Amino acid sequence: SAVISQKPSRDICQRGTSLTIQCQVDSQVTMMFWYRQQPGQSLTLIATANQGSEATYESGFVIDKFPISRPNLTFSTLTVSNMSPEDSSIYLCSVDRVRGGYTFGSGTRLTVV
Amino acid sequence: QQPVQSPQAVILREGEDAVINCSSSKALYSVHWYRQKHGEAPVFLMILLKGGEQKGHEKISASFNEKKQQSSLYLTASQLSYSGTYFCGTEGGNAGGTSYGKLTFGQGTILTVHP
Repeated sequence: SAVISQKPSRDICQRGTSLTIQCQVDSQVTMMFWYRQQPGQSLTLIATANQGSEATYESGFVIDKFPISRPNLTFSTLTVSNMSPEDSSIYLCSVDRVRGGYTFGSGTRLTVV
Repeated sequence: QQPVQSPQAVILREGEDAVINCSSSKALYSVHWYRQKHGEAPVFLMILLKGGEQKGHEKISASFNEKKQQSSLYLTASQLSYSGTYFCGTEGGNAGGTSYGKLTFGQGTILTVHP
């Protein structure tokens, strides 16, 4: 199954700034998914990113706050914009496994101060 | 809509068995199971497609009752390495049997195995 390299692994950011998270996959994939996991909570889908089209956002998430790029079939970025302490979470990207299920990146632990 | 998992937490001694349940109010195309250890990403365990299928992965198996929109994960003869949070992820589908292509995760079940 695909291997995902996600970075940064963690960051501490000032409120009002933005952070861009990168995911690089070692094989071409059609869809990439971005999730948020707040401390001790479940995973919530932010958006689905297809190459060559705009990302599809889930209810409660908007493009201005979480812009996503998908320039090719192996790479995607998620930006968390104008951050506030409420954005402190773990952000994970995910892709389809060839034989079913999903593989996750190692996650980005974001703390906003 | 988020599937409901039960129980919220389980404490076991090595060698004991456990069952984790996942229930959805929506028609399901598939159910996924993942295990997440503290500070790590979720790891895929298995996927069950509609049809009452049961699957196994080492000493971990699962069933899926499509009519009841429920799935259960069975952990037998538990080992210390089984400790972690287990999530079910449900994938909805339409009447024609096509997946909507995205997962909704349950709230998780914390499993702790003691020596």
